[in-house]
Amino acid sequence: DTGVSQDPRHKITKRGQNVTFRCDPISEHNRLYWYRQTLGQGPEFLTYFQNEAQLEKSRLLSDRFSAERPKGSFSTLEIQRTEQGDSAMYLCASSSSGSGEQFFGPGTRLTVL
Amino acid sequence: AQSVTQPDIHITVSEGASLELRCNYSYGATPYLFWYVQSPGQGLQLLLKYFSGDTLVQGIKGFEAEFKRSQSSFNLRKPSVHWSDAAEYFCASNNAGNMLTFGGGTRLMVKP
Repeated sequence: DTGVSQDPRHKITKRGQNVTFRCDPISEHNRLYWYRQTLGQGPEFLTYFQNEAQLEKSRLLSDRFSAERPKGSFSTLEIQRTEQGDSAMYLCASSSSGSGEQFFGPGTRLTVL
Repeated sequence: AQSVTQPDIHITVSEGASLELRCNYSYGATPYLFWYVQSPGQGLQLLLKYFSGDTLVQGIKGFEAEFKRSQSSFNLRKPSVHWSDAAEYFCASNNAGNMLTFGGGTRLMVKP
């Protein structure tokens, strides 16, 4: 068990560009969550999947954001037409159904110039 | 809607002193409650969790927390702080296995 992994760890992009992040959950976990954390704040929920189904999305997840989990394993989070306000740490977590405990990855830090 | 409040943004304690970090939650039923720790540039590590039962829960690294329903609180404690405990601490709650709602965090600094 290598834990939750995220790639890349850091991403610097120019405003208006598209970016995609990947999350690999703990292998036996069927739930996968995305959170966003801005400097000095606690993480905020974006969306979560149970297997390949996206079950809940926050109102923070604008139309420029899309997440997928095509085979119920890894997940991708894409941000289109990035804005400076998108600069944040994007955290992925996974858990087993029925377990409240979520295990977090190291995060992807996005900087939009 | 759920909310979690951590009243103290920064706390400084001397190494070897005791520590208490405050957390208050707002939720109709008893939520699941968690404390996470985050070192600079890193993800979150779970320290301990409360689901039900004994209101005093033990966690890793010598931390414990006490759930008090009457005060809607879940404060984190450690009897003797080590320099390596300097980090940001987050209290969180969820409604039975779904999204976590986090407090704003408390940054702990440890004086030698």
